[in-house]
Order: sequence, then C-alpha cells, then structure tokens
Amino acid sequence: EVQLVESGGGLVQPGGSLRLSCVASGFTFSAYWMTWVRQSPGKGLEWVANIRQDGSEKSYVDSVKGRFTISRDNAKNSLYLQMSSLRADDTAVYYCARGGVLNGRQEYWGQGALVTVSS
Amino acid sequence: DIQMTQSPSSLSASVGDRVTITCRASQSIGGSLNWYEQKPGKAPNLLIYDAVSLHSGVPSRFSGSGSGTDYTLTISGLQVEDFATYYCQQTYSNPQTFGGGTKVEIK
Repeated sequence: EVQLVESGGGLVQPGGSLRLSCVASGFTFSAYWMTWVRQSPGKGLEWVANIRQDGSEKSYVDSVKGRFTISRDNAKNSLYLQMSSLRADDTAVYYCARGGVLNGRQEYWGQGALVTVSS
Repeated sequence: DIQMTQSPSSLSASVGDRVTITCRASQSIGGSLNWYEQKPGKAPNLLIYDAVSLHSGVPSRFSGSGSGTDYTLTISGLQVEDFATYYCQQTYSNPQTFGGGTKVEIK
C-alpha cells in the first residue's frame, strides 16, 4: 500500500523558516517524480514544486522561487520542502504527492501538513 | 505559465443528474489534463488522467474528454458520495497548474 506521511508543519512567524518532510512507503521511491501542492484555507489547490527522480531537475511556482527549496533523499525514501522568508500568504495545508515516472499526474497524496505563518 | 480556467465555479444538482464541468487551458496542452475530486478536510483523489483515462478504482460514471485547450469531466448519474469539489490540472509543462475548482452541491 502506497503511503505518504508529511511532518514538520506548525506555527511560524513571518520571515521565519520551516522544513517539511514526507516519508514514502509501499513503492520504489527513487522511480518517481515527487511534488508538493498546497491549499490555503478555503481556497483551491496550488502546485508548489516538483523534483525528478534523481534530484537533477526541480521546478517551482513563481511565488516561492528563491524562498523554497525542494529536495529528496532516495536512501531514506524522503521528500523535503525547505521554506524560508515565510509570509502570511504561505499559510496552507501542504500536501506531498507522488508524480509519475515521466512526471505527470499525482496518483497518491499524503494527508497534508498545516503551516501557519502568523505573529 | 499555462492558465487553467474551470467552469462553473459551483453548481447544484440532484442525485441521478448528469453533470458536466469544463476546463480551458490558455494554450494547447496536448491532452495532459487530469481531474481530481476533493472532499472537505481530505486530500484530493485522482479521477481521470491524460484527459480520458479512468484512474484505477474510480467508478465508470466518471468520464473525461477533450483535446487541445478544452476539456470536460462528466459524471453520469450523480451519487450522494459525488458531492465534492473537482479540480482540473495540466501537467503539460512546469509549473503544473490547477483550475479554480468546481463545487458540486446538493439541490
């Protein structure tokens, strides 16, 4: 059974930093693109970033470029999102999702981690 | 970036109705279009991928169609468990983008 479990969410002050983690199980982690998607309270889904299987290619939505860094550790079956210079509009539930072998659709999703940016 | 425009933003329907949701891309996305269902407090679930392919375990009352810039999700015979919010997503190019969502409510 595919499982994705996020952790690391919480309350952080504006300008602060936070690192989200996502531990994967039930599939060959190193064989798939991985993605972060977020959802602000009461709002729609926003694609944040993704990373190729070997970490050689990363892409970000413009609103987080230069502030967020996606990374992965295939030996630990783990995906990360390092977030810095956090702003109030970064407040959201952050979902880890498995992409495809050739990028593409997100077939499996974690339960989400809530990040709240507030003073 | 490719913009995805989804319509309507909400609709009211009855059990048994046929429901159609549309999604328009700002440029051709070559069929790289997915549909997700999301219920309150839950993560999204993939329904349709590559515009027309039904994801494993998804009931056959869900179907997708379209090409180029225009795509459609159809629910044939709405069930109680289908009242949710639906999102389209293009995976033709990064950054992958979602439509604004369509909330399907009970009439």
